[in-house]
Amino acid sequence: GQQVMQIPQYQHVQEGEDFTTYCNSSTTLSNIQWYKQRPGGHPVFLIQLVKSGEVKKQKRLTFQFGEAKKNSSLHITATQTTDVGTYFCAGRKTSGTYKYIFGTGTRLKVLA
Amino acid sequence: DTGVSQDPRHKITKRGQNVTFRCDPISEHNRLYWYRQTLGQGPEFLTYFQNEAQLEKSRLLSDRFSAERPKGSFSTLEIQRTEQGDSAMYLCASSLLSTNEQFFGPGTRLTVL
Repeated sequence: GQQVMQIPQYQHVQEGEDFTTYCNSSTTLSNIQWYKQRPGGHPVFLIQLVKSGEVKKQKRLTFQFGEAKKNSSLHITATQTTDVGTYFCAGRKTSGTYKYIFGTGTRLKVLA
Repeated sequence: DTGVSQDPRHKITKRGQNVTFRCDPISEHNRLYWYRQTLGQGPEFLTYFQNEAQLEKSRLLSDRFSAERPKGSFSTLEIQRTEQGDSAMYLCASSLLSTNEQFFGPGTRLTVL
């Protein structure tokens, strides 16, 4: 079945350092979404990517969707303590389904 | 508050009992999803409604699980004959047909003793 893997599983960074998480799907995706979940909270939508090779920016966050629409990345520049949480990607296959498969998540800790 | 709400927030039950959870999505949201999340894992898809129609259900879901969205607004998720392995956070999310942006509720944490 469809699988979505994320690496790394954990990342500890010093405040001000950059951070990147990578998402890889076993199947081609119609779109990919990114969510942030704070400890004890629920997932909060960050962005959706639809087009092959698409790049979107939100302030210090940069999101990319691979040319083959099977991988994606989230890069945070100059991390802050407010960036702490787990980042999930969620992908939907190109056809025949409505469901989103969530990745395994990358848990980010930022040390002040 | 016009966000997604879920009730109850916590449920403790004994093995073998039935439980029912409720989700109130954001009004006008056509899509409604149920997910299950265990510690350290991403949300796992359970089922999807578009308005009142249940269009997709996870093949991993046993027949002890059933969900309804009778009027295309709120939804319920019932688990019959609960097992300890059902202990998890049950999340509901809603979205518009046009955007796919999922708004999650706070979840119902189920503990099966």
